[in-house]
Amino acid sequence: GESVGLHLPTLSVQEGDNSIINCAYSNSASDYFIWYKQESGKGPQFIIDIRSNMDKRQGQRVTVLLNKTVKHLSLQIAATQPGDSAVYFCAENRGYGQNFVFGPGTRLSVLP
Amino acid sequence: DSGVTQTPKHLITATGQRVTLRCSPRSGDLSVYWYQQSLDQGLQFLIQYYNGEERAKGNILERFSAQQFPDLHSELNLSSLELGDSALYFCASSAGNLGRNNEQFFGPGTRLTVL
Repeated sequence: GESVGLHLPTLSVQEGDNSIINCAYSNSASDYFIWYKQESGKGPQFIIDIRSNMDKRQGQRVTVLLNKTVKHLSLQIAATQPGDSAVYFCAENRGYGQNFVFGPGTRLSVLP
Repeated sequence: DSGVTQTPKHLITATGQRVTLRCSPRSGDLSVYWYQQSLDQGLQFLIQYYNGEERAKGNILERFSAQQFPDLHSELNLSSLELGDSALYFCASSAGNLGRNNEQFFGPGTRLTVL
C-alpha cells in the first residue's frame, strides 16, 4: 500500500493498552473538529467529531477531548487492537464556508 | 467500501499536461470534497461543492479547477502539470453541507505521478 508521511511522529503501544494521540490546532476561531484514521493504501476514514461547545465526546472505544484554552485535541483509543494501526489526523474547521485544515498526522503502531 | 468511487486509480503523465480526475459520491450525498495528499505537505483540502455549487475553497491552485454536475458526480481538472503536483487525490462526500455534523466518506484516491 501507499506510505503516507514517511517521517510522521509514531506512537507505539502494546495491544490491549490505551492509546492517546494528540493534536495542536492553530486557530482559536475553529469551532468544529474531526479525527480521521487512514490505513495504508486507503482513504481517510471518519472516526469522531466534536464541536467547540463540548469538551468531551465518546464513541465506540474512542474518546475525543477538546481543550480550547490551549488549543489542544486528543483522541483516546481504549484497548488498542492491531486493526487500530494506522495514521491518525485531526482536522479543524474554521466556520461556515471555511475549509478544513488537517494536522500532520501521527502513526499508531500496535505491538503484539 | 465507502461507497465513493474515483477513477482512475493511477495516472502517469508528463509535465505541462492536463488531466481530469473523476469522483462519484455515495448515493444521496450532495456534497463532494477534493483533497490532495503528498508526502511533504500532508492532507490538504482543495475545494467543496454542494448540490452543484462551490461552497468552500482551500489551497487550490489556479491551474486546478473542479465542478459538480447535475448527477452530482464531480471532476477535478489539473492543468499545466508540474512535478510537485504528484500526489494522491482524494474525493469525499457527505449528505449535508461542509461536513459539519455530516460524516465525510472518502474514496480510494487517485495516485497522480507527473514525470
